[in-house]
Amino acid sequence: GNSVTQMEGPVTLSEEAFLTINCTYTATGYPSLFWYVQYPGEGLQLLLKATKADDKGSNKGFEATYRKETTSFHLEKGSVQVSDSAVYFCALSDPVDTGRRALTFGSGTRLQVQP
Amino acid sequence: DAGVTQSPTHLIKTRGQQVTLRCSPKSGHDTVSWYQQALGQGPQFIFQYYEEEERQRGNFPDRFSGHQFPNYSSELNVNALLLGDSALYLCASSLGAGGDGGFGPGTRLTVL
Repeated sequence: GNSVTQMEGPVTLSEEAFLTINCTYTATGYPSLFWYVQYPGEGLQLLLKATKADDKGSNKGFEATYRKETTSFHLEKGSVQVSDSAVYFCALSDPVDTGRRALTFGSGTRLQVQP
Repeated sequence: DAGVTQSPTHLIKTRGQQVTLRCSPKSGHDTVSWYQQALGQGPQFIFQYYEEEERQRGNFPDRFSGHQFPNYSSELNVNALLLGDSALYLCASSLGAGGDGGFGPGTRLTVL
């Protein structure tokens, strides 16, 4: 079955540091890949997505590239801010043409950015 | 334009009781999915409803059931509550079966 593995947190960085959160997956075929963010006390928000190999998703300075050869979708940001402190979830779903679109999530990585 | 809404926000029940959670999808969305998020974990897929039918189901027992109404809103029912059912229950909506619709803020269920 599908599975997602994320690096364990918390990840603690100083403001303006470079961020990488690793995500690898197990799935058959070409799943769609997502990063979601959950701020304290709030629901999940879609941060970015990619639906085919070598696609790069990007939003709000965050980006991630769909790497089929390494089954990875690592999240990066060049300069983090205190407001980026949250829990980040990597997720996947079966390809669009399968009609099966349930999301499989990783366990989440907490990011703490210090001023 | 309201996004996905869920009610109630918080709920406290005792073991063995039954609970119903409600979800209204974002305007224009016709598909609702439910997830269970235990503390410190990622959400786990429970089931998805489209055209008032359960289309896909995760690895959850039959104690978990749902319903979708003609206006696309949905209910999640859990019978014979266990302590392990304590979690944040999230609802997501989308147009069609697309997996990247929006999530609601969740209902926090505590089972004592």
